[in-house]
Amino acid sequence: DAGVTQSPTHLIKTRGQHVTLRCSPISGHKSVSWYQQVLGQGPQFIFQYYEKEERGRGNFPDRFSARQFPNYSSELNVNALLLGDSALYLCASSLGLDVSPLHFGNGTRLTVT
Amino acid sequence: KQEVTQIPAALSVPEGENLVLNCSFTDSAIYNLQWFRQDPGKGLTSLLLIQSSQREQTSGRLNASLDKSSGRSTLYIAASQPGDSATYLCAAGANNLFFGTGTRLTVIP
Repeated sequence: DAGVTQSPTHLIKTRGQHVTLRCSPISGHKSVSWYQQVLGQGPQFIFQYYEKEERGRGNFPDRFSARQFPNYSSELNVNALLLGDSALYLCASSLGLDVSPLHFGNGTRLTVT
Repeated sequence: KQEVTQIPAALSVPEGENLVLNCSFTDSAIYNLQWFRQDPGKGLTSLLLIQSSQREQTSGRLNASLDKSSGRSTLYIAASQPGDSATYLCAAGANNLFFGTGTRLTVIP
């Protein structure tokens, strides 16, 4: 079975641009979460979606938004990119809420110049 | 807000040695404690999940324990191998996980 897949793997953008990152969860998983990992730090929670509804939001500005589609795949959008948005963006999926382990994709490496 | 700390930040051991990685958290009202492995530039691989009602989990050479009262978890790796070299992250919470900054492990052949 395929794991969590993310696209693209690498991306270079200029300050002020916007970006869309994509994630396909493991088959049968209905929850998708997004995390930002800055170099040398642990991942930080951005969003969680379950059954197409937002179930949690971390401490990120409104420039960050996300959605989940009927097939449970998800997009993360970031507007007005800043240099500080450069990071590894990780998507994770799980069967449901709270008690099942998270399974992560390999991430999208975003560089903002 | 949950804060997770991992000590040490880096660790080098000779092949074959047993080792313990430490994780502490500030809020004992956690759902789960999950240990992950991260290879350079890669995503996270889930190693073990301990639910709040459990005390430990084992998988192969790995054993993770959870002591909510003291706010601590440990990951024990037996008979370390060079392939175990990676960064190990612990995370507390449910789907909204709070991560530590990790322990970078190097196993020397």
